[in-house]
Amino acid sequence: GAVVSQHPSRVICKSGTSVKIECRSLDFQATTMFWYRQFPKQSLMLMATSNEGSKATYEQGVEKDKFLINHASLTLSTLTVTSAHPEDSSFYICSVTGFGEAFFGQGTRLTVV
Amino acid sequence: DAKTTQPTSMDCAEGRAANLPCNHSTISGNEYVYWYRQIHSQGPQYIIHGLKNNETNEMASLIITEDRKSSTLILPHATLRDTAVYYCIVRAGIMEYGNKLVFGAGTILRVKS
Repeated sequence: GAVVSQHPSRVICKSGTSVKIECRSLDFQATTMFWYRQFPKQSLMLMATSNEGSKATYEQGVEKDKFLINHASLTLSTLTVTSAHPEDSSFYICSVTGFGEAFFGQGTRLTVV
Repeated sequence: DAKTTQPTSMDCAEGRAANLPCNHSTISGNEYVYWYRQIHSQGPQYIIHGLKNNETNEMASLIITEDRKSSTLILPHATLRDTAVYYCIVRAGIMEYGNKLVFGAGTILRVKS
C-alpha cells in the first residue's frame, strides 16, 4: 500500500492571509494526487486533481486562483489557500490511488479567524 | 459510476454484528463496490471491495446480492472504535493509479455500550 502524510494537522490563520498544506506520499511515487474538502457534518468533496509537472485539474465550482496547487515532485503536492476567509474553514484531505484502493492523509483542519 | 443509497444513520450494540446496507440498483457489469470509513477528524480508511463474489478480510465481510443491486458490509463484532461514517462507493474498474474516488453521504454508525 501507500502511506500518505499531511502537514500541518491543524492550522489557525487570520482572515486575509494564505495557508499552505503539504501532502507527501512517503513510499509511493505519485504523479497524481487528489485534494478533498469536508465541511462539518458533510461528506468529502473532491476539489482538484494534482498532476506532477503540469497544471492541476479543478472540479466545477472550485476557484483555481484561490486554491493553488503545486505538485513539483513525485512525493509532494501542496495546496495553498490564498486570502483565506472564515468560510474557507474546513477539513482538507489529500489522497493517492493505486494497488486497488485509495490512500488518504490524516487531514488538515483549517480554521480562519 | 452508479449511484448508491445508504441509510443516514444506524446504531449497533457493542459486540454485536453491524450490518450496513447499500443499494446500487443501476450498477453495471464492470463496476466494483468499495467500502471506506471515516472516523471523526481523520482521513478515510479502506475497508473492502468486491465485484460479484462475497469478500472477507480481517476488518469486515462484504455480501453482494446475486443481481448485484445491493450489498451489505458486515462488521462481525462491532467495538466502540468502529463508530464512524461508512461510505459505499461504486466505480468502474478496480482502483488503479490516478483514479479518483467520489464520496456520497455515507452512513453514520454509532456503536453503543
